[in-house]
Amino acid sequence: QKEVEQNSGPLSVPEGAIASLNCTYSDRVSQSFFWYRQYSGKSPELIMSIYSNGDKEDGRFTAQLNKASQYVSLLIRDSQPSDSATYLCAVRSGGYQKVTFGTGTKLQVIP
Amino acid sequence: DADVTQTPRNRITKTGKRIMLECSQTKGHDRMYWYRQDPGLGLRLIYYSFDVKDINKGEISDGYSVSRQAQAKFSLSLESAIPNQTALYFCATRQGDETQYFGPGTRLLVL
Repeated sequence: QKEVEQNSGPLSVPEGAIASLNCTYSDRVSQSFFWYRQYSGKSPELIMSIYSNGDKEDGRFTAQLNKASQYVSLLIRDSQPSDSATYLCAVRSGGYQKVTFGTGTKLQVIP
Repeated sequence: DADVTQTPRNRITKTGKRIMLECSQTKGHDRMYWYRQDPGLGLRLIYYSFDVKDINKGEISDGYSVSRQAQAKFSLSLESAIPNQTALYFCATRQGDETQYFGPGTRLLVL
């Protein structure tokens, strides 16, 4: 079992719709959770971090964490073509705070 | 100026050659990381360093070595490059519990 799993996609949504990206992780003692956006050929950039159960909203983005189910998700409201990218889920855990990345979900927002 | 810089940005080399990828940061972070990214495999950790005297192997360190010349500089070497080391390489930095910040990446092709 991979430590951090994401559906590779592509996930296609029409412009203006809600995009829902999902991630599961295997280490029950994981402490911190991150969503990065990566445009093709570019470096990952942090868009959301979440540390406790529940929802965290930042503009059009909402991160949701359920530690009991070992599940973290990212919702993008009013999706725009500029949101088209690969979204990486990352989980931090362990004594030396190892960060493990999922393989990413490719999102395509169709105009 | 960018906070995390990598040189070179692109490199083509031949099998058996020694090459060095360099990373510099102006963020003042103590922790530095080297990752490689391959299609379908996501970001994988090669080496990481918590300070100048602390170097640790990541999940895929074979065939690589690193040097932390100063707090701001962390170099990755391929002693004898092989074709399956063709990948996109990212340097990243972090301070304590903060998130990671990535450099722009180095695209390496080994012929």
